[in-house]
Amino acid sequence: GQNIDQPTEMTATEGAIVQINCTYQTSGFNGLFWYQQHAGEAPTFLSYNVLDGLEEKGRFSSFLSRSKGYSYLLLKELQMKDSASYLCAVRDQYSGAGSYQLTFGKGTKLSVIP
Amino acid sequence: SAVISQKPSRDICQRGTSLTIQCQVDSQVTMMFWYRQQPGQSLTLIATANQGSEATYESGFVIDKFPISRPNLTFSTLTVSNMSPEDSSIYLCSVSPGSGTEAFFGQGTRLTVV
Repeated sequence: GQNIDQPTEMTATEGAIVQINCTYQTSGFNGLFWYQQHAGEAPTFLSYNVLDGLEEKGRFSSFLSRSKGYSYLLLKELQMKDSASYLCAVRDQYSGAGSYQLTFGKGTKLSVIP
Repeated sequence: SAVISQKPSRDICQRGTSLTIQCQVDSQVTMMFWYRQQPGQSLTLIATANQGSEATYESGFVIDKFPISRPNLTFSTLTVSNMSPEDSSIYLCSVSPGSGTEAFFGQGTRLTVV
């Protein structure tokens, strides 16, 4: 079966750095995504890893180790607006016509405090 | 990229009635995905809709409860039939325009069944 684990909640201080971990066990793998979701809104794309290593995009970085089934999202210089849920998602099963399904973790609710 | 217009954004419905949610994409895509996000939970895939054929439903979801239409490459509807309070969720449509791209989401439909 598909299994994606990430912590339920985290709290961090404004200006600090936080790392959100994600481990996965899926039947297939065609990339790992991180999404940000503010309460009541749709998820928005943050990062994508398909090869091992670190991808950096401004204040956000994401790391992948395929052999370990492990990823993390690193947020630097935290701002209050970063308070949101962060969803780890694996593109696993092929749906046909060049599209793959995404399987989502339950999300990590990050609270940034002053 | 892809821009998805989803409506309605929210609705409050009586139990036993049905609601149809619409998604319009600004480009042609072969596959569209419908997700449900129950309160405090992550996204669960309901079904994959391919233009010109019947949708493929995930375990726990059936066509009689969630009929889907996909009349062309830019449009899809999901109907939540014979609603009960347990159907209160956010429903999201999603597309992944290419195998190397992230998934894009509609704004979501927040459904409350009373």
